[in-house]
Formats: sequence, structure tokens, C-alpha cells
Amino acid sequence: EMKLVESGGGLVQPGGSLRLSCAASGFSFNTHYMSWVRQAPGKGLESVAKIVLDGSEKFYVDSVRGRFTIFRDNSKNSLYLQMNSLAADDTAVYYCVREVFWRFDLWGRGTLVTVSS
Amino acid sequence: QSALTQPPSASGSPGQSVTISCTGTSNDFDYNYVSWYQQHPGKAPRVIIYEVTERPSGVPDRFSGSKSANTASLTVSGLQDEDEADYYCSSYAGGSSPVVFGGGTKLTVL
Repeated sequence: EMKLVESGGGLVQPGGSLRLSCAASGFSFNTHYMSWVRQAPGKGLESVAKIVLDGSEKFYVDSVRGRFTIFRDNSKNSLYLQMNSLAADDTAVYYCVREVFWRFDLWGRGTLVTVSS
Repeated sequence: QSALTQPPSASGSPGQSVTISCTGTSNDFDYNYVSWYQQHPGKAPRVIIYEVTERPSGVPDRFSGSKSANTASLTVSGLQDEDEADYYCSSYAGGSSPVVFGGGTKLTVL
């Protein structure tokens, strides 16, 4: 069974940092682009970061560029999102997703990040 | 790249058809990488249409997609109770930006 499992979410103070992890299984991780998509409470979906197969190229939405870093470890079938300088509007469920030709065809269950003092 | 525009809500009775629109600029749909996602409350989204008209295996053929100029559309035919959910469109408009989503449409089955 193909699966993505996120971890690392939680409560963090404004200005703080958090690292999300995503463990992939059941498919060839190193042959797929990967992304993080977030959803603020009661709001829509936002694609925040994307990484190519070998990690050599990364793409970010403007609102997180310079604060978030996406990276991957193909030897561990894992995807990560390092989030720094967190603000209240970063509060969201963060989904690890597999991307195939600009469609997200496999989703994790998500991990909740809450930024609050 | 700005978010795509969807109506906040749509509704229909069981057995009826409903069409949800997704509007962007003239560049947003230059490529045929338009997808639609269904999300039930408390669940992760799942793709139901990709590349404008294609359905992943396991998605009923009641779901269909189309595109014209700067608008993409999702049609749900023969509405069923389990179709009640939020629906999101997305598109790739070229360049190095991530995929952009629409704001979502809440579909209610009356």
C-alpha cells in the first residue's frame, strides 16, 4: 500500500521553528517530485513548497520563501519541511503530497501546526 | 500567480447534475494540467480529475471535467449523498511557481 505519514506538528510560539517529516512507503520515492500543501482552519488549500527528484531544485510560494526549506533524503524515503520565523497565519494542517505532472495523486493524513503564544 | 476563483457553494438534489466553475486569467489554463480534488470533512483531499478530463481509477464516471478559455469546470452527474464535500480546482500556469488552487466550493446534496 502506498502511504505518506507526516509527523512533527504541534504548538509553537510566533517566531519559532518547527521541522515536519514525511515517511513514504509502498512506492519508489526517488522517482517522484514531492510537495507540501497546507490548509488553514476552515480555509482552502495552498501549495507551499515543491522539490524535484534529487533535491537539486526547490520551489516555494511567495509567502514562505526565505522562511521555509523543503528537503528530502531518498535513502530514508523521507521528505522534510523546515519552518522558521513562524507566524500566526502559518497555522494550518500540513499535508505531504506526491506530485505527478502538477497533480497531487497521493496525500498523507496531515499534521497540524499551531502558531500561538 | 493569484488563486483561481470558484463559487463558494453549489447544490443539487439527488440524481441531478451540478457544474462547478473555476476561473482564472488567460494564462492560468495555457497548459492542460488542470486538476480537481474532493475533500470530505476531516479527511485529506483526493484527486478526482486530472489533465482537465482524465479520471483516476476508482473515480466514478459521474465526475467529468472540461476547460474553455479561462474557465475550467467540474460536472457531477447523478448526484449522490456521498458527493457532498468540498471541491478544489488547481492549475499549473508555467514557470517555476507551485501549483495554484481555487478557493474551494462546498457542494451540498439537498
